[in-house]
Amino acid sequence: DAGVIQSPRHEVTEMGQEVTLRCKPISGHDYLFWYRQTMMRGLELLIYFNNNVPIDDSGMPEDRFSAKMPNASFSTLKIQPSEPRDSAVYFCASSLGSDEQFFGPGTRLTVL
Amino acid sequence: DQQVKQNSPSLSVQEGRISILNCDYTNSMFDYFLWYKKYPAEGPTFLISISSIKDKNEDGRFTVFLNKSAKHLSLHIVPSQPGDSAVYFCAARSGDFNKFYFGSGTKLNVKP
Repeated sequence: DAGVIQSPRHEVTEMGQEVTLRCKPISGHDYLFWYRQTMMRGLELLIYFNNNVPIDDSGMPEDRFSAKMPNASFSTLKIQPSEPRDSAVYFCASSLGSDEQFFGPGTRLTVL
Repeated sequence: DQQVKQNSPSLSVQEGRISILNCDYTNSMFDYFLWYKKYPAEGPTFLISISSIKDKNEDGRFTVFLNKSAKHLSLHIVPSQPGDSAVYFCAARSGDFNKFYFGSGTKLNVKP
């Protein structure tokens, strides 16, 4: 298996623009997680899905952030409108049950 | 407020010596703890874990110690190697959920 795939790897955008991050989990995994890494707060869980259903979105910063999982092999994290403080590395991870989470390589987002 | 804290942002150790990375947590409901290792431009990868029913778990050069009364976790690497240079994240999970809380990470530099 290719592991968790994220795209794009790097994204530079201007404040106010819409940003969409994409994730393909490991086939067969039933949990998908979106994390954000910043210098100040480390790795924060934003939202996670079980069998494509959002279970906990309490980490989503505000209404500008939304996440979807239309099927078992694809998820998106959207920021609209983006702000400079959203600049961070965003990781997607997947797991089978409550086992180890496997992380993707991350998307480095820069909002100017 | 962060429930998992890594108070040392960085640590420098000589090759062959012991590296000790520390982690503190506040939630007494956490029942499972993990360490992840992260190289630049890659996602975190699982390193070692420990259940709250144990106080020590060893895997090769890596040993994790858990002190529940102190709510403290540590990772020992013996002997340290230059390839161990990475950011190490401590994470904890509450039994009812698949939700992991991560610390902010400690950057380990092992000098040849």
